[in-house]
Amino acid sequence: QKEVEQNSGPLSVPEGAIASLNCTYSDRGSQSFFWYRQYSGKSPELIMSIYSNGDKEDGRFTAQLNKASQYVSLLIRDSQPSDSATYLCAVTFSGGYNKLIFGAGTRLAVHP
Amino acid sequence: GAVVSQHPSRVICKSGTSVKIECRSLDFQATTMFWYRQFPKQSLMLMATSNEGSKATYEQGVEKDKFLINHASLTLSTLTVTSAHPEDSSFYICSARVPYRGGNSPLHFGNGTRLTVT
Repeated sequence: QKEVEQNSGPLSVPEGAIASLNCTYSDRGSQSFFWYRQYSGKSPELIMSIYSNGDKEDGRFTAQLNKASQYVSLLIRDSQPSDSATYLCAVTFSGGYNKLIFGAGTRLAVHP
Repeated sequence: GAVVSQHPSRVICKSGTSVKIECRSLDFQATTMFWYRQFPKQSLMLMATSNEGSKATYEQGVEKDKFLINHASLTLSTLTVTSAHPEDSSFYICSARVPYRGGNSPLHFGNGTRLTVT
């Protein structure tokens, strides 16, 4: 059973704070991990990709991966109201075609 | 950058009719495209993997006779919802990987098609 688990939220943070989003996955053979942002009624857009254990930073975003714990997270620093969206964790599962499986998403609300 | 174009963005049809959704890779060739469906307040569920020149691979529980996929060229995949019913109303999104970046590269998504069956 391919599973990607996320807390559905909503996660509410004040403007300027750090938002922390978490995700666990079931397939130990997974090699690729992604965070997508989805605004209501729109298709997902890629925020970050991470392939190796540790941290990867891109602007205000930091992705963290721990393959031993099967855990990936996303930190958003200096959160802005425009960051309010649903954040989807996605994992490429081993097997044919490298299918990308999504978690249910965490809804983030950044309030002024 | 890589762009995936999807058409139409919105369609309303009567129950029992069929609807075709097109997905094109605009600046790269995609031997594989992925079709997802998303119901309100739910996540993206993979429906099928579309393979150029061969049959699509469907996920468990997805009716292949109802959701017909044709991947006739390296830049075009189509999804036809046959004999649509109100429960097929959903947000359908196609996606593809830029092939030269490898099988673990991210998916690029089309803008999605909002299907409403009345």
